[in-house]
Amino acid sequence: GAVVSQHPSWVICKSGTSVKIECRSLDFQATTMFWYRQFPKQSLMLMATSNEGSKATYEQGVEKDKFLINHASLTLSTLTVTSAHPEDSSFYICSAPRPGKPDTQYFGPGTRLTVL
Amino acid sequence: DQQVKQNSPSLSVQEGRISILNCDYTNSMFDYFLWYKKYPAEGPTFLISISSIKDKNEDGRFTVFLNKSAKHLSLHIVPSQPGDSAVYFCAATPANTGNQFYFGTGTSLTVIP
Repeated sequence: GAVVSQHPSWVICKSGTSVKIECRSLDFQATTMFWYRQFPKQSLMLMATSNEGSKATYEQGVEKDKFLINHASLTLSTLTVTSAHPEDSSFYICSAPRPGKPDTQYFGPGTRLTVL
Repeated sequence: DQQVKQNSPSLSVQEGRISILNCDYTNSMFDYFLWYKKYPAEGPTFLISISSIKDKNEDGRFTVFLNKSAKHLSLHIVPSQPGDSAVYFCAATPANTGNQFYFGTGTSLTVIP
């Protein structure tokens, strides 16, 4: 069945380095993907909408120069956390709308980022 | 393959009646389950959760039931209100994975006034 994968599932990096997280749709194409960040009490904050072939749309308060999003193909979106700092440590999740049923989505399993 | 499945993409219920949203999973290692509610253009917000040591958890109008032998959980909303109209996602996480969540594809609930 169609799923969304994320790579890596865990990443630990030093402060000041950049980290790339990949989100792939398997067996279906996604012109749009969404990136979320998980906060305490388990809420998910929508960070940005990734659009294939065009610039991502960022939510208010999300630094576009810090969280670089590239949707290079119909099955791959990447989120790069640039010059990561400990406060960027979090759980990042991507999702893609279900083909034909855009109200519902496939979620990736998430990536745990720890910045030392 | 999808380890968490919501087989009903949509559901319509009359105001005041009960809404029942269903979720099935395949991984027996899942030990914590959550329901999220999502309005358009917003991120999902946490609604209610249940640990695998329980079979029921209630919070106001929302009750989650867990049937481990059937690998099935459900969310009951009673009475349903128009403001409950949203997309509901179930999610599951295995023990000791540091919050690695597996989400269902969602069920769009419409509560008709």
